[in-house]
Amino acid sequence: AQKITQTQPGMFVQEKEAVTLDCTYDTSDPSYGLFWYKQPSSGEMIFLIYQGSYDQQNATEGRYSLNFQKARKSANLVISASQLGDSAMYFCAMREARGNQFYFGTGTSLTVIP
Amino acid sequence: GAVVSQHPSRVICKSGTSVKIECRSLDFQATTMFWYRQFPKQSLMLMATSNEGSKATYEQGVEKDKFLINHASLTLSTLTVTSAHPEDSSFYICSARDRASSDNEQFFGPGTRLTVL
Repeated sequence: AQKITQTQPGMFVQEKEAVTLDCTYDTSDPSYGLFWYKQPSSGEMIFLIYQGSYDQQNATEGRYSLNFQKARKSANLVISASQLGDSAMYFCAMREARGNQFYFGTGTSLTVIP
Repeated sequence: GAVVSQHPSRVICKSGTSVKIECRSLDFQATTMFWYRQFPKQSLMLMATSNEGSKATYEQGVEKDKFLINHASLTLSTLTVTSAHPEDSSFYICSARDRASSDNEQFFGPGTRLTVL
């Protein structure tokens, strides 16, 4: 089974609007971490936000917030006040406590429209 | 934050040649580094986990004799693509975990774009 599922291959959002990128995960490990990365056309992976499985509150980092719904095993990324520079690929990833490996989703291509 | 560098950033080579890609942690020690391959418009696929001073652990389907990994020090891991062929053309990304940090984060290098003619 897929460890990380991103069901939106492409998304469009109007500049200054908010957008939610979906991510669901599958694990039997009670301890895990969830990550979101941004990959612009240059290829570098830029860390955005992290949520630990035991964190009580949703993670926030500036305009990024993570809507963590543990029972549903979802970790959606919310970008508020979208900017043109937000146009990129976005990857959701998970690391289980019992291993070193990161599992990546297939990514969502976000395009911000002026 | 911690910095990981990769060299070269871009390489074009003829079919049959070998290419070495370096991954360095610049301001931290990394006992574990990871090598990923990413084809256009696809996700990152883990190729192997590189541990300092020991043999790399390869993912299923990755030929260890073709993709040689050496992790000779706490700050350097190398990936050598031996006898490269056009189907090896891809974007190769390394990442590293900070030995001294209990944080779960991996720090990614900027990637190396390999084109085999």
